[in-house]
Amino acid sequence: DAGITQSPRHKVTETGTPVTLRCHQTENHRYMYWYRQDPGHGLRLIHYSYGVKDTDKGEVSDGYSVSRSKTEDFLLTLESATSSQTSVYFCAIRETGTGILGELFFGEGSRLTVL
Amino acid sequence: GQQVMQIPQYQHVQEGEDFTTYCNSSTTLSNIQWYKQRPGGHPVFLIQLVKSGEVKKQKRLTFQFGEAKKNSSLHITATQTTDVGTYFCAEAGGTSYGKLTFGQGTILTVHP
Repeated sequence: DAGITQSPRHKVTETGTPVTLRCHQTENHRYMYWYRQDPGHGLRLIHYSYGVKDTDKGEVSDGYSVSRSKTEDFLLTLESATSSQTSVYFCAIRETGTGILGELFFGEGSRLTVL
Repeated sequence: GQQVMQIPQYQHVQEGEDFTTYCNSSTTLSNIQWYKQRPGGHPVFLIQLVKSGEVKKQKRLTFQFGEAKKNSSLHITATQTTDVGTYFCAEAGGTSYGKLTFGQGTILTVHP
């Protein structure tokens, strides 16, 4: 268990509303990632972070922003949710010291439905 | 970015049959990681392959990395109902940020 907690685990919201998903880790790992999972697309990287206030875009970043003001928290925000953002969102961490070849540890996921 | 194609998308087998999923790329892969996701669960790391032609085994699971490092496969011998789930391959690329590019996944159903 890599000590990753995602919240909320389930959320239903309406189009146009803002949504924030939280990823919390307890072990001070440097690298954190947000992925979304959709049928037929596997897992696609939204944003990632390599330190406090250090973030960058992944392959599907449009419509999403992130923040990391503390090592333990990585927030994913949908400023104005759309139905195309209905998905399961996974946070992941990579343990410090494992190098570029280290495996990812995933949280339990957050299921978001945008009506 | 790196494209990793995974086939088949779905596979239905009878318990006891073998199963194979393939991961292919048009360019050389630096490494391959394999993950398993149980229904309703989250992806869990299985193994990593780095060397050309590498073969690794975990009980009934055999993982291979192609000689040209452009493909990989996961083979399960004599499937069991506990093998159901989605199997993903992923490549970390050459950056130090450890970003993984995932294949689309293969959903395995095992009929008892």
